[in-house]
Amino acid sequence: GESVGLHLPTLSVQEGDNSIINCAYSNSASDYFIWYKQESGKGPQFIIDIRSNMDKRQGQRVTVLLNKTVKHLSLQIAATQPGDSAVYFCASADNYGQNFVFGPGTRLSVLP
Amino acid sequence: EAQVTQNPRYLITVTGKKLTVTCSQNMNHEYMSWYRQDPGLGLRQIYYSMNVEVTDKGDVPEGYKVSRKEKRNFPLILESPSPNQTSLYFCASSIHRVSEAFFGQGTRLTVV
Repeated sequence: GESVGLHLPTLSVQEGDNSIINCAYSNSASDYFIWYKQESGKGPQFIIDIRSNMDKRQGQRVTVLLNKTVKHLSLQIAATQPGDSAVYFCASADNYGQNFVFGPGTRLSVLP
Repeated sequence: EAQVTQNPRYLITVTGKKLTVTCSQNMNHEYMSWYRQDPGLGLRQIYYSMNVEVTDKGDVPEGYKVSRKEKRNFPLILESPSPNQTSLYFCASSIHRVSEAFFGQGTRLTVV
């Protein structure tokens, strides 16, 4: 079946460094991609999204890169802060919202 | 404040005893959905609703029911809960299916 997976289940970075969280997807019809952040004891929170007609999108301290050729997307967090410690999920869907699939998540730990 | 409210936050019940988890959103969103989150499996969609009186199965609908009589409410019903339904449940709403979703705080359900 279709899947969205993450390359690493955990990631530790020093405070102030940049973080890169990777995600691979298998459905070539995927058209919409989204990143969520989930802090302990809370529901997922939207970070940024991107559609397949783009290869890069920037938000506040975050950038999502999409490589459709190898079915890979990444989330880059600039100047990582302690408040960025959380589990990060990628998800994908086709243009009609079908086959909406979440990955298992990457736990980001920010070291002082 | 824009929010999705789930109740209860925690619930312990016995096998076979019917229960309902409520979900309400105040953003006038048309699209609502229920997910369960299990370790290593990420978020899996149980049911979704495109609008009032319009519901459909997600990836793991067995053992669950939903209803959408009003736009703001989308309760999740377990007619006869079983231990394999022990999980963390999230309700979410969005303007439409392929857009940023707002999640509730989660309901941790234990079925013994």
